[in-house]
Amino acid sequence: KAGVTQTPRYLIKTRGQQVTLSCSPISGHRSVSWYQQTPGQGLQFLFEYFSETQRNKGNFPGRFSGRQFSNSRSEMNVSTLELGDSALYLCASSSAGARGYTFGSGTRLTVV
Amino acid sequence: DAKTTQPNSMESNEEEPVHLPCNHSTISGTDYIHWYRQLPSQGPEYVIHGLTSNVNNRMASLAIAEDRKSSTLILHRATLRDAAVYYCILRDVMGKGTNFGNEKLTFGTGTRLTIIP
Repeated sequence: KAGVTQTPRYLIKTRGQQVTLSCSPISGHRSVSWYQQTPGQGLQFLFEYFSETQRNKGNFPGRFSGRQFSNSRSEMNVSTLELGDSALYLCASSSAGARGYTFGSGTRLTVV
Repeated sequence: DAKTTQPNSMESNEEEPVHLPCNHSTISGTDYIHWYRQLPSQGPEYVIHGLTSNVNNRMASLAIAEDRKSSTLILHRATLRDAAVYYCILRDVMGKGTNFGNEKLTFGTGTRLTIIP
């Protein structure tokens, strides 16, 4: 069974640019969540999607947005990149039940 | 969100048992206790979860205090591959119905486990 796939694995962008990251969840999983991980702030929740609807959102500026497609694949977008947006962005998917989330290996974004 | 407290770091010798503690004194009756671990250069990995009773799976055991205000993740025989950051998280999943998953995982700083060969 394929895991959660995130692309690309690494990305370098310049301040002011925008970036789109992709996440393919485990087949059958309808919930997709995004997290940002930095050395200073640790793992922080960005948002969660279920059946193409955003159900929960973390405390991030509006420059961070996302969407989910009918096949449950999800993308997140960051506009007007800042140096502080450099981080590991993680996607997680889950199905119904109390078991845990399955995380991808993440996309390492570096803003220069 | 209910908060968890873990030691910042722990060390253990290879092939010995490891007990990773977690305090969650403000846990509510519907909070499940989840453990994840994050190996270097990877995303977090689900380890185990429980509500009231002790739980065992192929990766670890989870011992939950009778008052549920603390729990301990037990690795029975640590290997070098168990070196990771371990996170203890509370998840309220009761009564979610079709809204299951409509919650965020709040990660603390976790415990960095070092395994000594």
